[in-house]
Amino acid sequence: EDQVTQSPEALRLQEGESSSLNCSYTVSGLRGLFWYRQDPGKGPEFLFTLYSAGEEKEKERLKATLTKKESFLHITAPKPEDSATYLCAVQAAGGSYIPTFGRGTSLIVHP
Amino acid sequence: NAGVTQTPKFRVLKTGQSMTLLCAQDMNHEYMYWYRQDPGMGLRLIHYSVGEGTTAKGEVPDGYNVSRLKKQNFLLGLESAAPSQTSVYFCASGGTQRAQYFGPGTRLTVT
Repeated sequence: EDQVTQSPEALRLQEGESSSLNCSYTVSGLRGLFWYRQDPGKGPEFLFTLYSAGEEKEKERLKATLTKKESFLHITAPKPEDSATYLCAVQAAGGSYIPTFGRGTSLIVHP
Repeated sequence: NAGVTQTPKFRVLKTGQSMTLLCAQDMNHEYMYWYRQDPGMGLRLIHYSVGEGTTAKGEVPDGYNVSRLKKQNFLLGLESAAPSQTSVYFCASGGTQRAQYFGPGTRLTVT
């Protein structure tokens, strides 16, 4: 059974204080790993797709990296507008394209 | 390009009443999904569709039915609403190896 575990559940940062969110996964062959951002009262918004170990993607203050067992979402010099819940999902190779989601990390950035 | 839209945004039902949630996408995606999101539970897949005229059960399908008569639309029905179905419902669309694109959500309360 595919599993995705995100840590920490909640993270509070001061503006400018860099940190990382973790997504550990167990799948029988990875087709893709996805990061999403969800603001309160809204649907998840797609951020990145990673396909193979060693791959990295960047967008503004966010950088996602991937190893064979986990992915990190690094947040550099965060701003209050980066406050959101960040979700990780994996798609396993073979079978249908149904992702398994983690429960998310709630990030609050204080000014 | 509206992406994924959901109708209605809010709804209050009494126990035993029925309703249909409508999801529409304009990205020509083959896959469409219905999720529910509850505090502490994360996103849970209710039903999904891999193409026009097809549907399949997800993780929590009981009490729900779906139809995909047109490629761009995916309907979620509740035949006899129960308080346990109080939740936020998200529709998403996507394709093979693609990320999912989510709608804004429908907040349903069953009293």
